[in-house]
Amino acid sequence: AQRVTQPEKLLSVFKGAPVELKCNYSYSGSPELFWYVQYSRQRLQLLLRHISRESIKGFTADLNKGETSFHLKKPFAQEEDSAMYYCALKHNYGQNFVFGPGTRLSVLP
Amino acid sequence: DAGITQSPRYKITETGRQVTLMCHQTWSHSYMFWYRQDLGHGLRLIYYSAAADITDKGEVPDGYVVSRSKTENFPLTLESATRSQTSVYFCASSASGRGNIQYFGAGTRLSVL
Repeated sequence: AQRVTQPEKLLSVFKGAPVELKCNYSYSGSPELFWYVQYSRQRLQLLLRHISRESIKGFTADLNKGETSFHLKKPFAQEEDSAMYYCALKHNYGQNFVFGPGTRLSVLP
Repeated sequence: DAGITQSPRYKITETGRQVTLMCHQTWSHSYMFWYRQDLGHGLRLIYYSAAADITDKGEVPDGYVVSRSKTENFPLTLESATRSQTSVYFCASSASGRGNIQYFGAGTRLSVL
């Protein structure tokens, strides 16, 4: 069965410190992986996707098929990065996503 | 994005009442989804629709009913609300095809007393 896990419910770091939000998945096939972010009182929005291999707001994520991971990283956290982050897996058929439980990132001044 | 809107934004109801949450999108996306967001569970799929008149169950469909008579609308009905259905509900839409992402509405916060 498809599953996405995010082991940390809450992650607190100081401004300027590196941050890594962990995501592991189980899927038999070639999934598409995404990170969505939800800032306070806002809707979920796409942060980045693995097929684009892009850096958005300083965040990057590399798909590691051997470890079935898609960890989100940023070298220097900013206070405005404080938000809820969801890792998501998209089936390679249809358009359904499976979301992880989310990690709340708190960047302290 | 104004392309997908949910109404109402907040709703308080009583146990046993019927409640309908509305979702409207202007992109002509073929796919639409309903999720509920609960602490510790993240987003769980309730129902989805691949096109008008085509709907299917997600992970947690019990107690919910959907319909999709028009491409742009995807209402979610709680036929007899229960306290366990207190949650934040998100609607999303997506075009078909690899690489397409889901776009989310602003959410409806529902409290069942």
